[in-house]
Amino acid sequence: QSVLTQPPSISAAPGQKVTISCSGSSSNIGYDSVSWYQQFPGTAPKLLIYDNDKRPSGIPDRFSGSKSGTSATLDITGLQTGDEADYYCEVWDSSLSGVLFGGGTKLTVL
Amino acid sequence: EVQLVESGGGLVQPGGSLRLSCGVSGFTLSEHYVDWVRQAPGKGLEWVGRSRNRAKGYSTDFAASVKDRFTFSRDDSKSSLYLEMNSLKTEDTAVYYCARAYRLNGAHFFDFWGQGTLVTVSS
Repeated sequence: QSVLTQPPSISAAPGQKVTISCSGSSSNIGYDSVSWYQQFPGTAPKLLIYDNDKRPSGIPDRFSGSKSGTSATLDITGLQTGDEADYYCEVWDSSLSGVLFGGGTKLTVL
Repeated sequence: EVQLVESGGGLVQPGGSLRLSCGVSGFTLSEHYVDWVRQAPGKGLEWVGRSRNRAKGYSTDFAASVKDRFTFSRDDSKSSLYLEMNSLKTEDTAVYYCARAYRLNGAHFFDFWGQGTLVTVSS
């Protein structure tokens, strides 16, 4: 069981919005900035959000991130079938002196 | 263009050793942090360890699950970082990725990843 808690799965219809949560503690999310990654089966993860709410070049503004206290969220609006993937939050933990990943959330676009 | 390419994966018996390579291009290895992340079959991402840059004395950190079994070595002239894995266990079976940990204004994130290399620990 991961120290960073994400819902294992989430589903929504095309065009709708989903929110993926990532819950941690004062030594990780409360301490450092959060990143989010998207991973399709058989491929390497891809950076979606860094520094809590910033998008790398090329990432659509349908993807947005936020952080409050010891929790972070990834919002995806205007869902597309191509968004079906696994999503992971990531942050440094000061107590463990290591990087933590959330357990991952599998997004299904119905 | 930034690229990371892993190699060296394969089948190894429990208790054995293996060395994975991460060759980088498009950036100077000595100026950046590079981490290893693994993913067991059907499971989520698990951080393995970090090799910092020359400015940070090439210091390292490892996950508790691999500490004292895994180490890093590097050859900056070949732009390569190596993950030396010893006393391998069946639970080390995974795809191993190397990724650049880019630091910006105090934040770090994995902006570029390799394609991964599969390590299978089995008798």
